[in-house]
Amino acid sequence: DIVMTQSPDSLAVSLGERATINCKSSQSVLYSSDNRNYFAWYQQKPGQPPKLLIYWASTRQSGVPERFSGSGSGTDFTLTISSLQAEDVAVYYCQQYYTTPVTFGPGTKVDIK
Amino acid sequence: QVQLVESGGGVVQPGRSLRLSCAASGYSFSTNGMHWVRQAPGKGLEWVALIWYDGSIKYYADSVKGRFTISRDNSENMLYLQMNSLRVEDTAVYYCARLMGPKYGYFDLWGRGTLVTVSS
Repeated sequence: DIVMTQSPDSLAVSLGERATINCKSSQSVLYSSDNRNYFAWYQQKPGQPPKLLIYWASTRQSGVPERFSGSGSGTDFTLTISSLQAEDVAVYYCQQYYTTPVTFGPGTKVDIK
Repeated sequence: QVQLVESGGGVVQPGRSLRLSCAASGYSFSTNGMHWVRQAPGKGLEWVALIWYDGSIKYYADSVKGRFTISRDNSENMLYLQMNSLRVEDTAVYYCARLMGPKYGYFDLWGRGTLVTVSS
């Protein structure tokens, strides 16, 4: 199984400041036949289902604000919130869909400082 | 309105069975694979099962293999999860989610979930 790890476990950022979350996979999720990273980011607010933010490691889902961006390739990925807003308080999960079992990271909780 | 609505959760004793349903609407259900994902109280996300768009291929997490069965009825726009021999550790909110993209897909549409509590 591909193990996903995230860092930090939690972070508190001032409104308007940058938040950065890292995710590492135990093996590469870059598929050589199409040169795409089979990797996504989700946001989950309390009492709600997860919401897709980013797929293919860096493609923003329709309707997701531009302050959210994804980067990275292979085994190391980053989610950046360029200017944290109050509504961004949530837990963020990374996910690989390169192989089964599909696996998620343990989550990173983002709060306001 | 494009949505997924789960139902069938509840409180059940260990060793018993439960069947979850997921009703899809607002899109062409038969063109996408579907997943079940669960979340134990206060915990992270755990993938449970995947079924291909036509039901021809199914995958399961090791933790549920042999106990859970995923199925679908494209004529009714319905997804199911038959859960047998339930254990306390199966207690979770169960979400159905739409598969997008090739291979095992990312999840672009989620239901609100249904809570399964396994307790004596």
